[in-house]
Amino acid sequence: EAGVTQFPSHSVIEKGQTVTLRCDPISGHDNLYWYRRVMGKEIKFLLHFVKESKQDESGMPNNRFLAERTGGTYSTLKVQPAELEDSGVYFCASSQEERGVPRVEKETQYFGPGTRLLVL
Amino acid sequence: QKEVEQNSGPLSVPEGAIASLNCTYSDRGSQSFFWYRQYSGKSPELIMSIYSNGDKEDGRFTAQLNKASQYVSLLIRDSQPSDSATYLCAAAAGGTSYGKLTFGQGTILTVHP
Repeated sequence: EAGVTQFPSHSVIEKGQTVTLRCDPISGHDNLYWYRRVMGKEIKFLLHFVKESKQDESGMPNNRFLAERTGGTYSTLKVQPAELEDSGVYFCASSQEERGVPRVEKETQYFGPGTRLLVL
Repeated sequence: QKEVEQNSGPLSVPEGAIASLNCTYSDRGSQSFFWYRQYSGKSPELIMSIYSNGDKEDGRFTAQLNKASQYVSLLIRDSQPSDSATYLCAAAAGGTSYGKLTFGQGTILTVHP
C-alpha cells in the first residue's frame, strides 16, 4: 500500500511569488492534515480535512494560505504571496475515518515526506 | 508553558543500553499519544501509540502513559546505532473534535557503538 505522497519535494521561490503544494493521502483515508515545521521550532498543525470539508483550520497563519481538497482525495496548499517567514517544511498526514474505528485509530496519523519550501 | 514538552537532549547512550525519552503534556483532555521517529531530512515515522494508563510494548519499544501526572515516556531496549534519530512526542487534541496533533520539540538520541 502506497503511503502519503507530497509534491514537490523542494521548492525555492522569491518573495511575492505563489507556490502550490500537493498531498495525496493513503488510499481510503478520509482525514487529511497539513503541518509545518519552521527552522528551530516544533511541528505545528495547520488544518484538518474530513473528506472535502475543513474540520479545523485553526492553525492557518493568515489569509495568504489557502487549502483545498476538492472531491475528498488529494489536497493542495497554496501560499500567495509567499513571504520569507513561510520558509520551512510542510508535512501532510492522513488517517482513517471509518465508522466503528476506535478513536485512537482515527487519530493515528501517517506522514508524507514533506515539501521543503525556501522563500528568498 | 509549552503544550507538549520534551527534553531536547541530545541524549547519548551506548549500544545495547536502554534509552529513556520523556514527555509531559498540558491538555488533560488529550486521550491519545504518539511517538514518532524522524531521521534527518525525512518524515516523522510512527513508532507507538498509547491511550491507556500503563505500559504498552512493541518489540524493543515500550511506551508508558500516566494521565494523572500528564506524562508519557518511551523506552528503547538494546539500543542500536540505527536508533539514532530525533524522537517526537505528540498528543492528540482532547474533547469531541479530534485530529490535531500537538508536537514537542523532539529529543535527539545518539546511540554510539
